[in-house]
Amino acid sequence: NAGVTQTPKFQVLKTGQSMTLQCAQDMNHNSMYWYRQDPGMGLRLIYYSASEGTTDKGEVPNGYNVSRLNKREFSLRLESAAPSQTSVYFCASSEGTTGNTIYFGEGSWLTVV
Amino acid sequence: GESVGLHLPTLSVQEGDNSIINCAYSNSASDYFIWYKQESGKGPQFIIDIRSNMDKRQGQRVTVLLNKTVKHLSLQIAATQPGDSAVYFCAENKSGGTALIFGKGTTLSVSS
Repeated sequence: NAGVTQTPKFQVLKTGQSMTLQCAQDMNHNSMYWYRQDPGMGLRLIYYSASEGTTDKGEVPNGYNVSRLNKREFSLRLESAAPSQTSVYFCASSEGTTGNTIYFGEGSWLTVV
Repeated sequence: GESVGLHLPTLSVQEGDNSIINCAYSNSASDYFIWYKQESGKGPQFIIDIRSNMDKRQGQRVTVLLNKTVKHLSLQIAATQPGDSAVYFCAENKSGGTALIFGKGTTLSVSS
C-alpha cells in the first residue's frame, strides 16, 4: 500500500501563477485533508472533505480551492499564487473526521517568488 | 488561537535516557488525542493515540498519559535512541469536530 501520495514533491511558482497539488489515497478512507506547515509552526488545516462530494473550509482557506474528485483523490488549487503561500503542504486522510487517526503524505514543498 | 500547545520547543537527551514530551490543551470537550513524529523532510507519522475515557496507553517503547483534570498530555519514550530524533506534535480532536488541531511541536535531539 502506498498510503497517501501527493504530487509534485517540489514546485517553484512566480507570483500570480496558478497550480494544482494532487493527492490520492488507497486506504478507502472517507475523509481527506489539506494542511500547510510553516517554519516553527504546527500544521494548519486549509480545507477538508469529510466524505466524497463534500468540502469545507478549515482554519486558513483564503487563496485556495479544493476538489474532491472521487473517493480516492482530493486536489488543492492555488489560483493566483502569493509569496505568503510559500509553505510545505501535506495531504492526509482518515476513515472519518472525528476520533480517527489521520495519515499523512510526504509533503509538497512550494516556493512562490 | 491555539488550543493545543507544547511546553518546550526543544528537548535534548542522551541515548538510553527516557524522554518526556509535554503538551497542554485548552478545550475540555476534546476527546481524542494523537502524538505524531515528524522527521526532517517527511510527513508526520502516527505514534500513539488515546481517547478521553483512558488516562494511559502504552505502545512499543512509548507511553501516552492523559490528565483531564489539568488538561495535560505527555509522551514518554523509553530508552531513547538516535532514531527518535525528530519533531513531535500532539494533536486533539474536538468532540463533534472536523479535523485534528495541532500544537507547534517539540524538537527532540538524542545524542550518543
